[in-house]
Amino acid sequence: EVQLVESGGGLVQPGGSLRLSCAASGFTFSDHYMDWVRQAPGKGLEWVGRTRNKANRYTTEYAASVKGRFTISRDDSKRSLYLQMNSLKTEDTAVYYCTRVTTGNYYLANWGQGTLVTVSS
Amino acid sequence: DIQLTQSPSFLSASVGDRVTITCRASQGISSDLAWFQQKPGRAPKLLIYAASTLQSGVPSRFSGSGSGTEFTLTISSLQPEDFATYYCQQRNNYPLTFGGGTKVEIK
Repeated sequence: EVQLVESGGGLVQPGGSLRLSCAASGFTFSDHYMDWVRQAPGKGLEWVGRTRNKANRYTTEYAASVKGRFTISRDDSKRSLYLQMNSLKTEDTAVYYCTRVTTGNYYLANWGQGTLVTVSS
Repeated sequence: DIQLTQSPSFLSASVGDRVTITCRASQGISSDLAWFQQKPGRAPKLLIYAASTLQSGVPSRFSGSGSGTEFTLTISSLQPEDFATYYCQQRNNYPLTFGGGTKVEIK
């Protein structure tokens, strides 16, 4: 069974930094692209970014709203995905979800339970 | 960026009703569309991908159709567990984008 468990959320001041982690199990982590998606309280879903697999050189894509501030990385040996968030803004307040991207057709097939990040003074 | 416009944004229906939700893309996206269901306090769940392919384990009362710029999600006979918010999402181009959501509530 695919399991994705996020951690690292919490309260941070504007301008601060936070690192989220996602522990994966139940599938061959190294084969898959992995994405982060977020959801502000009471709002819709917003894609944050993607890391591709080793075969695709771990290249990344980002939403314009986070590019230059957020960095997605992964450690295949630890089956873990990360989201380093710097220069946080109040509008980054959201539940952050880790998602597994299916190989071949690239859909967001599995989601973690999410971790809440609150940016506030 | 590709904009996805869902309609309606809110829908009130009864158990047993046939329900249709529309998603319109601002430019053609072939069949590169997925539908998700989200219940309060829960993560989204993939229902349909490639516009019309049912994800494993999803009940057959859910179906998807469309290509290009217009897509539909149909629930043939609404069940109590189907009351939720539904989102479309395109994977044709970066950045990936989602529709604004359709909340399906009990009439």
